[in-house]
Amino acid sequence: AQSVTQLDSQVPVFEEAPVELRCNYSSSVSVYLFWYVQYPNQGLQLLLKYLSGSTLVKGINGFEAEFNKSQTSFHLRKPSVHISDTAEYFCAVSDNYGQNFVFGPGTRLSVLP
Amino acid sequence: SQTIHQWPATLVQPVGSPLSLECTVEGTSNPNLYWYRQAAGRGLQLLFYSIGIGQISSEVPQNLSASRPQDRQFILSSKKLLLSDSGFYLCAWNRDRIYGYTFGSGTRLTVV
Repeated sequence: AQSVTQLDSQVPVFEEAPVELRCNYSSSVSVYLFWYVQYPNQGLQLLLKYLSGSTLVKGINGFEAEFNKSQTSFHLRKPSVHISDTAEYFCAVSDNYGQNFVFGPGTRLSVLP
Repeated sequence: SQTIHQWPATLVQPVGSPLSLECTVEGTSNPNLYWYRQAAGRGLQLLFYSIGIGQISSEVPQNLSASRPQDRQFILSSKKLLLSDSGFYLCAWNRDRIYGYTFGSGTRLTVV
């Protein structure tokens, strides 16, 4: 079975600064990886996903993530954040059979003016 | 295009009262349907999923039940709510888990 770790429960950052939200996973099989964003009192929205191919994945709202198989990581980055990026971010992993889909505990990003 | 609707958006219910949350998906057929819960300070917990009409799998034992009376309708119920049932409930669908989920807008349930 897979597991997902998001080491930072909260990340405060000033507006226009870069940000990286960390995600590490463990799995004995090949995986697919996802990042979701949840704005207050809303459902989760898919930011980006890695299924195969290029390890650098670009998503919506200027976010990107890089799949690093040797480090079992899928960190999310944005070069310049906006106040509107304040939200909770969830990393998730699925095995390539679709049998196990696991969400991480989430990282709360707070963008400060 | 596919859309997912979930209602109500917020609900305040007394302990011991019944519960019914409804979720419908439009624009697709035979979706996989899911109910998740987010409790305060905790991550996403999968409660139920369904791969077809009348087929319900429960991930955790609890005070809740789910039903799928129609292909694109998924209902979360309880006969008697507990304080611990408070949380944010999310419905989601997909065609295959490997492609992730599409979530509804959620229901904030407060049991008082």
